[in-house]
Amino acid sequence: ETGVTQTPRHLVMGMTNKKSLKCEQHLGHNAMYWYKQSAKKPLELMFVYSLEERVENNSVPSRFSPECPNSSHLFLHLHTLQPEDSALYLCASSQDLSEAGNTIYFGEGSWLTVV
Amino acid sequence: SQQGEEDPQALSIQEGENATMNCSYKTSINNLQWYRQNSGRGLVHLILIRSNEREKHSGRLRVTLDTSKKSSSLLITASRAADTASYFCATNSNSGYALNFGKGTSLLVTP
Repeated sequence: ETGVTQTPRHLVMGMTNKKSLKCEQHLGHNAMYWYKQSAKKPLELMFVYSLEERVENNSVPSRFSPECPNSSHLFLHLHTLQPEDSALYLCASSQDLSEAGNTIYFGEGSWLTVV
Repeated sequence: SQQGEEDPQALSIQEGENATMNCSYKTSINNLQWYRQNSGRGLVHLILIRSNEREKHSGRLRVTLDTSKKSSSLLITASRAADTASYFCATNSNSGYALNFGKGTSLLVTP
């Protein structure tokens, strides 16, 4: 138990569906992240939020839409995805953003399959 | 963008043996971290080494950092079957805060 909870753990959706992934952290952290993990590829940083404000968006297609209503919750809204978007989506949090580097705490991930 | 790159991609050893994994990176860093991931689970932080440190220990883990060669190594001594996992190194992104990960080393420890 890392203090970062993701739901659902598994999701199968059609290409025309709209779904959302949810992340909640119980650590009192100020920064939250979405990463994508595909087979045979490095983890890809998707979005970074600090105090509910998006500070990094790594050229992610608009079919992925993040939302951070408060510093404890992070959503990833999914719309008209493609089969190649099937992956493990990992949410993470850290105390804050710092150039000295942060230890990041990950959730268990949401396995997404797009059919 | 990817920063660290682990080597080897896969490693298979027997219980009791030591496992060594290497990480190379491209740009200057403030620190380097190692994470572990059990199959299909989230990543768990193992150890952080700062750029002014050369070696750090935590239990059976030993991490070295050579900033002149832009490389780090993770040594797991007296390995156990429970050490079977993927191991990733991570460094700060160019923007200075969010971490970038490599593809990882997949370690298999057989009883």
